[in-house]
Amino acid sequence: DTGVSQDPRHKITKRGQNVTFRCDPISEHNRLYWYRQTLGQGPEFLTYFQNEAQLEKSRLLSDRFSAERPKGSFSTLEIQRTEQGDSAMYRCASSPHNNEETQYFGPGTRLLVL
Amino acid sequence: KQEVTQIPAALSVPEGENLVLNCSFTDSAIYNLQWFRQDPGKGLTSLLLIQSSQREQTSGRLNASLDKSSGRSTLYIAASQPGDSATYLCAVNTNAGKSTFGDGTTLTVKP
Repeated sequence: DTGVSQDPRHKITKRGQNVTFRCDPISEHNRLYWYRQTLGQGPEFLTYFQNEAQLEKSRLLSDRFSAERPKGSFSTLEIQRTEQGDSAMYRCASSPHNNEETQYFGPGTRLLVL
Repeated sequence: KQEVTQIPAALSVPEGENLVLNCSFTDSAIYNLQWFRQDPGKGLTSLLLIQSSQREQTSGRLNASLDKSSGRSTLYIAASQPGDSATYLCAVNTNAGKSTFGDGTTLTVKP
């Protein structure tokens, strides 16, 4: 499978715990995006990387959220001190660095904070 | 701030009907616009991408148009089939890195 993969697919945690999600983009894609999606809404942009550089962050990304892409390949999204409002589907996408900029999405990680 | 609106929120049609989904955006300085399909519990699948310099793109029974000046895009689906039932999302890129999505139109095609 050469698509975008995300791990884990589901995560249940208690309020106040830290969680970390991983995204593996399509190889040779140097752009990687994180989104959050809640039921009945479209994905909301969180942040994006060009290779290992984090180029933009949404104001939705509070100081409890951090994302890294240390070697320009896979990325991690960490949420510290989780709150019930963090419950959502966290989606990752990647795109090649060309004029088309088509984004390819992974299956997502569903987070439930109890 | 870019805002993207999709109307209607839900649409139900009989099989075989042609239909149009609408997407409007507030900032016309876009880089490109992309239509996605999302099936329940699944990820997003790219359908069509229109660059800011283009007016339309076609793929099979799908045709997407873009009118930057009026801040509108439409997705036309010809001869709809039950397998077309899904949520259709419009995403606008105002630069090469950030996408703003609408909340989607949920389409049901009845056999």
